[in-house]
Amino acid sequence: GAGVSQTPSNKVTEKGKYVELRCDPISGHTALYWYRQSLGQGPEFLIYFQGTGAADDSGLPNDRFFAVRPEGSVSTLKIQRTERGDSAVYLCASSPGQGMNYGYTFGSGTRLTVV
Amino acid sequence: SQKIEQNSEALNIQEGKTATLTCNYTNYSPAYLQWYRQDPGRGPVFLLLIRENEKEKRKERLKVTFDTTLKQSLFHITASQPADSATYLCALRNSGNTPLVFGKGTRLSVIA
Repeated sequence: GAGVSQTPSNKVTEKGKYVELRCDPISGHTALYWYRQSLGQGPEFLIYFQGTGAADDSGLPNDRFFAVRPEGSVSTLKIQRTERGDSAVYLCASSPGQGMNYGYTFGSGTRLTVV
Repeated sequence: SQKIEQNSEALNIQEGKTATLTCNYTNYSPAYLQWYRQDPGRGPVFLLLIRENEKEKRKERLKVTFDTTLKQSLFHITASQPADSATYLCALRNSGNTPLVFGKGTRLSVIA
């Protein structure tokens, strides 16, 4: 597609529920990144994929968070047993590769609210 | 500990003036540094990239400097316009295998 697409744009869920957030990167971009952003803060790194494999998942806060990219394009971020502290905007970005010449193209994010 | 500091949370300037935003970092050895613009409700948009061996980069009304001795980058918008009002984020990478790390951003307001 023309840009990075994230769905849903907004998600309200109850504490303890499971949620999935989807990211559709730019076609042909091999690197895909997940960040989350709280109000007044910069994006905080969660995980990135090069192709199908997670190249760095050091930013995932705990084992309730998991992400997949089975075919090297679309990625899903999964959060189990959601907590109120998980409320944030979850941003996805892609780039043509993981090299240093590339800026990231971000989607508009999914605003997750846990009530 | 590693830190990226964007010195001002908010900056107000008059239309037509030059806006200068600062990004300082500690305990990083970035191979390069990037600047992004973010509007409310949107994801960040890539503006400029500068490498550690480059002192200055320009793109239209934008200019970025990178001083690895001072561990600082300056981001300038010349002839600023109200449409330049947004949050500007500094981000850096140590190498090609590490993801970008972002600062908190500076919210710029250009007043007509």
